[in-house]
Amino acid sequence: DIQMTQSPSSLSASVGDRVTITCRASQGIRNDLGWYQQKPGKAPKRLIYAASSLQSGVPSRFSGSGSGTEFTLTISSLQPEDFATYYCLQHNSYTFGQGTKLEIK
Amino acid sequence: EVQLVESGGGLVQPGGSLRLSCAASGFTFSSYWMHWVRQAPGKGLVWVSRINSDGSSTSYADSVKGRFTISRDNAKNTLYLQMNSLRAEDTAVYYCARLPSGSSLDYWGQGTLVTVSS
Repeated sequence: DIQMTQSPSSLSASVGDRVTITCRASQGIRNDLGWYQQKPGKAPKRLIYAASSLQSGVPSRFSGSGSGTEFTLTISSLQPEDFATYYCLQHNSYTFGQGTKLEIK
Repeated sequence: EVQLVESGGGLVQPGGSLRLSCAASGFTFSSYWMHWVRQAPGKGLVWVSRINSDGSSTSYADSVKGRFTISRDNAKNTLYLQMNSLRAEDTAVYYCARLPSGSSLDYWGQGTLVTVSS
């Protein structure tokens, strides 16, 4: 089974900060990775697919990069509505990262 | 507009059974693979099961294999998850989600809560 290691597990940041979240796969998964945002009591929302493609309607401050085993999600300038939990999902064999809780500093 | 609406959750005793449904609308249901994902209270997302577009192929997480059965009725635009021999650790919100070809899960339902407790 492919394992996904997501880091950090939590992150405190301020509005306007640039933040990066990383997912590492235990074996190569090409670009078979998506990033999701989840707010309390809500379903996950897809932000990025195919590692770097922006989902329609998602602000351009979100970006994804990487292929093979290392992937990053970057938020270029944090907005108040971005404070949430973020997950990666490899859809080669369907494994989520452990999640990153992004909190206001 | 794509919509996925889960139902069927509730309180069940350990060892009991429950069937979840996911009603799909706004897209050609029979063209998409579908998935179930769950989230225990305060925990992360965990993949549970998937089914291909015509229902001929299924896959399960090891934790539910032999106890859960995924199925679909393309005539009714509905996805199902039959859950048997339920355990306390199956307590979670269960989401259905759509998988576009060659991509990651795009649309998700709002979830339905399953609580396994005596």
